[in-house]
Amino acid sequence: DAGITQSPRHKVTETGTPVTLRCHQTENHRYMYWYRQDPGHGLRLIHYSYGVKDTDKGEVSDGYSVSRSKTEDFLLTLESATSSQTSVYFCAISLSDRATYEQYFGPGTRLTVT
Amino acid sequence: AQKITQTQPGMFVQEKEAVTLDCTYDTSDQSYGLFWYKQPSSGEMIFLIYQGSYDEQNATEGRYSLNFQKARKSANLVISASQLGDSAMYFCAMREGPDAGGTSYGKLTFGQGTILTVHP
Repeated sequence: DAGITQSPRHKVTETGTPVTLRCHQTENHRYMYWYRQDPGHGLRLIHYSYGVKDTDKGEVSDGYSVSRSKTEDFLLTLESATSSQTSVYFCAISLSDRATYEQYFGPGTRLTVT
Repeated sequence: AQKITQTQPGMFVQEKEAVTLDCTYDTSDQSYGLFWYKQPSSGEMIFLIYQGSYDEQNATEGRYSLNFQKARKSANLVISASQLGDSAMYFCAMREGPDAGGTSYGKLTFGQGTILTVHP
């Protein structure tokens, strides 16, 4: 158990509204990631963080922003949600003190944009 | 750009038999890592096994082994003695780097997944 929680676990929102998803970890890992999972695409990286206030874009970052003001929290914001952002969102952490850089995932957030 | 291909949308296996899930990858990096994850119907992502590009021996973790063929750029997952609980979606993923300076951000690129069904 890598001590990762995500909130909310489920959310339904309307097109055009802002949405923030939270990822919280308890073990001070440096690297954190946000992925989205859609049928036929596997998981795709949205944004990642390599330290407090250090973030960068992933493969599918358009329409998303992130913030990391504390080691333990990584926030994903949809400034104006669209139906194409209906997806399951996973947060992950990397055990970067190990050579394998294996990532452990949170339980996921199912977001529906109507 | 990195790419992972899983060509088997679905696979079926009889309980207690072995099954191989295919994964091919494309990268120009010399240093990279290959991972397999399991996603049961409950939705969580479970790390199974890892293979580094410089590892000379195939990785094994219990009933899981990774058949790594570097020249063919394949990293197939072999599950021995299948169990009903192995029924799930399986994802192959690749991490770029670390680079010559030892830097890696650990970003993963995933394949589309293979649904494995184990029959009793």
